[in-house]
Amino acid sequence: AQTVTQSQPEMSVQEAETVTLSCTYDTSESDYYLFWYKQPPSRQMILVIRQEAYKQQNATENRFSVNFQKAAKSFSLKISDSQLGDAAMYFCAYRQNNAGNMLTFGGGTRLMVKP
Amino acid sequence: GAVVSQHPSRVICKSGTSVKIECRSLDFQATTMFWYRQFPKQSLMLMATSNEGSKATYEQGVEKDKFLINHASLTLSTLTVTSAHPEDSSFYICSAPWVNTEAFFGQGTRLTVV
Repeated sequence: AQTVTQSQPEMSVQEAETVTLSCTYDTSESDYYLFWYKQPPSRQMILVIRQEAYKQQNATENRFSVNFQKAAKSFSLKISDSQLGDAAMYFCAYRQNNAGNMLTFGGGTRLMVKP
Repeated sequence: GAVVSQHPSRVICKSGTSVKIECRSLDFQATTMFWYRQFPKQSLMLMATSNEGSKATYEQGVEKDKFLINHASLTLSTLTVTSAHPEDSSFYICSAPWVNTEAFFGQGTRLTVV
């Protein structure tokens, strides 16, 4: 079974600074997707960024970028120029392709942004 | 983009009663929907996979007689918590996968059993 591990229960960053959230996963598959989801206090799950395993290039979405290390099974999220609105729970998630589309989530990291 | 609507967002019920939570895909058809449960400050735990036209698949440890799932159409899945007890109080979230991209999530339902 696939597992996703987020080793940082909480992280703190100063506004306008950069922070990196860690995620590792375990799988024997080669075709999969990785995601970072944000869950603000409203608890609505919001997709932050997506990475296809077959792509070597790291995904980027504005201030959000990932460092995808397939061999190391690592998928960290970097948030640049942190904003107060970035404060939320962040979940790393894995989905095996063509296997029911089920997501496996990590335990989450609570990000606090200091003004 | 694709939207999943979940209703109600909050519900309070008495012990022993049943509560139905609806999850609708508004602009796409979802043959599969997932139901998650989230305890405070914890991650999402998959409860069951809802399949249109067939029985739901439950994760180990989830009581299928307590958490009844019905996938009545390609746009609607329901989760009924039967004979609810205070320990069933939690946040329930549904999601519908979009082919080759991310899943779309409902807004969640906060269930409180008193």
